[in-house]
Amino acid sequence: NAGVTQTPKFQVLKTGQSMTLQCAQDMNHEYMSWYRQDPGMGLRLIHYSVGAGITDQGEVPNGYNVSRSTTEDFPLRLLSAAPSQTSVYFCASRGQGYTGELFFGEGSRLTVL
Amino acid sequence: GNSVTQMEGPVTLSEEAFLTINCTYTATGYPSLFWYVQYPGEGLQLLLKATKADDKGSNKGFEATYRKETTSFHLEKGSVQVSDSAVYFCAPEPLGGGADGLTFGKGTHLIIQP
Repeated sequence: NAGVTQTPKFQVLKTGQSMTLQCAQDMNHEYMSWYRQDPGMGLRLIHYSVGAGITDQGEVPNGYNVSRSTTEDFPLRLLSAAPSQTSVYFCASRGQGYTGELFFGEGSRLTVL
Repeated sequence: GNSVTQMEGPVTLSEEAFLTINCTYTATGYPSLFWYVQYPGEGLQLLLKATKADDKGSNKGFEATYRKETTSFHLEKGSVQVSDSAVYFCAPEPLGGGADGLTFGKGTHLIIQP
């Protein structure tokens, strides 16, 4: 199994540009989420989804949009990138009714100039 | 909501040294407790967990005991190796699973020198 796959692994944007970070999982997991990781801040939850068609905000949602049209995919969109969004982004998933273990992708490092 | 306090480091040890990484948490009730590890250039992966008081989670020589009286879940290993160099995250699970997911500590950066 591939697990959780994120693309791209690296991206450089200019301020104001838009882009989408892709996340796909092949474990039929209901729950998916996006975190950002910054030095000294740990992991902070951006958005999450408990199933297709259902999304909700996490701790730091501003500047990001998500959608969940299928169980497998949970893309994260930056509509107008800002330097404050320079970070490493992780997608994670877990099965319905199964508490705890999150399965993480390898991360996407985004730099906004 | 839940919150976690753990030392950030970096914590630098020599190979074969004894390791303790402290983790204390605040939570409603008695959540499940987890340690995740992040190796360089990778995502997080589950290291061990404990689901109720006095449980001991263990994996890869690491252990942690769920102490409800001190609300702690300290990570220990008797003899660390260079390959243990990584960032370690403590995380309590919200009661009932919690749709908004785990609350992670800021992570402890561990460096093991040969």
